[in-house]
Amino acid sequence: AQSVTQLDSQVPVFEEAPVELRCNYSSSVSVYLFWYVQYPNQGLQLLLKYLSGSTLVKGINGFEAEFNKSQTSFHLRKPSVHISDTAEYFCAVTLTSYGKLTFGQGTILTVHP
Amino acid sequence: EADIYQTPRYLVIGTGKKITLECSQTMGHDKMYWYQQDPGMELHLIHYSYGVNSTEKGDLSSESTVSRIRTEHFPLTLESARPSHTSQYLCASSESGGGRNEQYFGPGTRLTVT
Repeated sequence: AQSVTQLDSQVPVFEEAPVELRCNYSSSVSVYLFWYVQYPNQGLQLLLKYLSGSTLVKGINGFEAEFNKSQTSFHLRKPSVHISDTAEYFCAVTLTSYGKLTFGQGTILTVHP
Repeated sequence: EADIYQTPRYLVIGTGKKITLECSQTMGHDKMYWYQQDPGMELHLIHYSYGVNSTEKGDLSSESTVSRIRTEHFPLTLESARPSHTSQYLCASSESGGGRNEQYFGPGTRLTVT
C-alpha cells in the first residue's frame, strides 16, 4: 500500500518570498502524484500532476513540482507567493492501475503582507 | 471548471436523524468517490464507485451507505446520525482509464450532528 507524508503542517511566508512545500511518498510500485489546493470552505482543485516523462511539472498559478524517484519526493514550489495563495495544500498519490487517491495530511500555507 | 455539485453545503442535525448527502456530476464520469475530512487532517476515502450499480467501501470504515443508480448521481446516506459523524464530506469524480486521470471535487458538505 502507498502512503504520503507532508513534512510541514504549517508554512508561514511573506508575500513575494519563495516557498517550498514538501511531500514524500512510499510505494512498492509506480505511482502517479498530484498536488491539490483547498481554499476555505471549498473543495479541492488540482494544481498539477506527475504521470510520466519530465520530472519537472508546471501547474496553475505559477506552481511547479519536481518528482525525485530516488528520494521518493514530490515537493511543490513557487518562486514568489501572493496573498491569494493562502490555502491548504494536499499531496496525493495513486497507483497506476486504479485511481484511488491517498492523501497527505495537508500543509497550511499562510502568506503575510 | 469542474461540474460537480454537492447539497447541502452545510447541515446541522440532531442525533438519530436519517440524512442523505447529495452529489451530482455532469461530466459523464464513470468513477465517483466520497471522502471524509476532519479539520487539519487528510482526506480519507470512505466509498467509491466505478460505474452504475457498482459501489465499494473505501480505506476508512464508515457507517454510511451509498448508491449508484445513475451515472451522474452518487448520494451518501446515514441512517442514524451521531456526533461522531460530524465532519466534512467531499465528493469527487474522474474519468475511466486508471489512476492517471485527475479527480474533480465538489465544494463539500459540512455536517454537524448535535
